[in-house]
Amino acid sequence: EAGVTQSPRYAVLQEGQAVSFWCDPISGHDTLYWYQQPRDQGPQLLVYFRDEAVIDNSQLPSDRFSAVRPKGTNSTLKIQSAKQGDTATYLCASSFRGHNQAPLFGEGTRLSVL
Amino acid sequence: AQSVTQPDARVTVSEGASLQLRCKYSYSGTPYLFWYVQYPRQGLQLLLKYYSGDPVVQGVNGFEAEFIKSNSSFHLRKASVHWSDSAVYFCAVSATGNTGKLIFGLGTTLQVQP
Repeated sequence: EAGVTQSPRYAVLQEGQAVSFWCDPISGHDTLYWYQQPRDQGPQLLVYFRDEAVIDNSQLPSDRFSAVRPKGTNSTLKIQSAKQGDTATYLCASSFRGHNQAPLFGEGTRLSVL
Repeated sequence: AQSVTQPDARVTVSEGASLQLRCKYSYSGTPYLFWYVQYPRQGLQLLLKYYSGDPVVQGVNGFEAEFIKSNSSFHLRKASVHWSDSAVYFCAVSATGNTGKLIFGLGTTLQVQP
């Protein structure tokens, strides 16, 4: 069974540029999460979806970040006008609805904003 | 609000020695608890999880953890470490019934010396 797939693996930007990250969850998983992991820190939830609906985006900086999951499968996280403080690894995870379902993570996208 | 404290930023042990990585959580209800491991330039891999029942849970690769409610702890243990166990270990907590919205600690870097 294929795991969570993310692309690209790495991205390097100048401040002010835009970037998009793509995530393909495990087949059949209806819940998808985006986490941000700054260097030497634990992951922090940005947003999560159940099917195509946003369940919680309270930690997503809405002025520059956006996330969509239009068909309830793949998802895209976009940063408009990146800042140096956005430098981090962006992790996608997925799980199946229901109790006792731990999220399973992809390998992440490492973003450097210069 | 939930929180996780991993008091040891770095732990060094010799190969073959036993291991304990400490984790304390804060949550007013009954928590769901997790340990994940992160190898260099990779995503997080689930080691084990606790939802209910036997407070000692077994995970992959010989890892286990014990939930001690009175102490709000969920320490990770291994009887004999191997050099390949060198990695960053994260403890996480979530609210009952919302297993995907994880709150992570800062992580503990484990270095196993030959």
